[in-house]
Amino acid sequence: QVTLKESGPALVKPTQTLTLTCTFSGFSLSTSGMRVNWIRQPPGKALEWLARIDWDDDKFYSTSLKTRLTISKDTSKNQVVLTMTNMDPVDTATYYCARMIVGATIFDYWGQGTLVTVSS
Amino acid sequence: DIQMTQSPSSVSASVGDRVTITCRASQGISTWLAWYQQKPGKAPKLLIYAASSLQSGVPSRFSGSGSGTDFTLTISSLQPEDFATYYCQQASSFPPAFGPGTKVDIK
Repeated sequence: QVTLKESGPALVKPTQTLTLTCTFSGFSLSTSGMRVNWIRQPPGKALEWLARIDWDDDKFYSTSLKTRLTISKDTSKNQVVLTMTNMDPVDTATYYCARMIVGATIFDYWGQGTLVTVSS
Repeated sequence: DIQMTQSPSSVSASVGDRVTITCRASQGISTWLAWYQQKPGKAPKLLIYAASSLQSGVPSRFSGSGSGTDFTLTISSLQPEDFATYYCQQASSFPPAFGPGTKVDIK
């Protein structure tokens, strides 16, 4: 059974760095073809893809947020970590991690999401 | 980057109604399109991939069609549990992009 779960602070101050952890089970990120992504959704708005890390440690980032994002993995702990620097109130959103189907850019399993509010 | 649009932005319907949602890509994506259902406070759920392939466990009242730039999601007979927001997503090229969503609510 595949599960993913996000964890991290619910509240961050403007200019701070956000660190989110995705802890997953039911698959291994050392398996060829496996990929984990971060996607966010501001309240009442649409989904926005942020970043992806692959089984071979390839990393991909949103063009508009590339300078602020870092994604990494700890295969032994079944975790993927996303850091986002210089947080702003417009970054207030629910942040999801999601697994990508092998061979396709489609998300088959999602975490429950974690709401991050940026406010002083 | 490929942009996705959806219409309508919202639709009011009754149980048993046939509902059709349209998604358009800013350039051709063949059949590299997925549809997701999202209920309030929940994560999106994959319904359809490759434009018309039903994800395992998804009821057959959901169907998808289209290729190139124009796609549709159809719910043949709306059920109470189908009231939700639906998003399309292009899977053709980097970066993956979602449409703005279509909310299906009770008439």
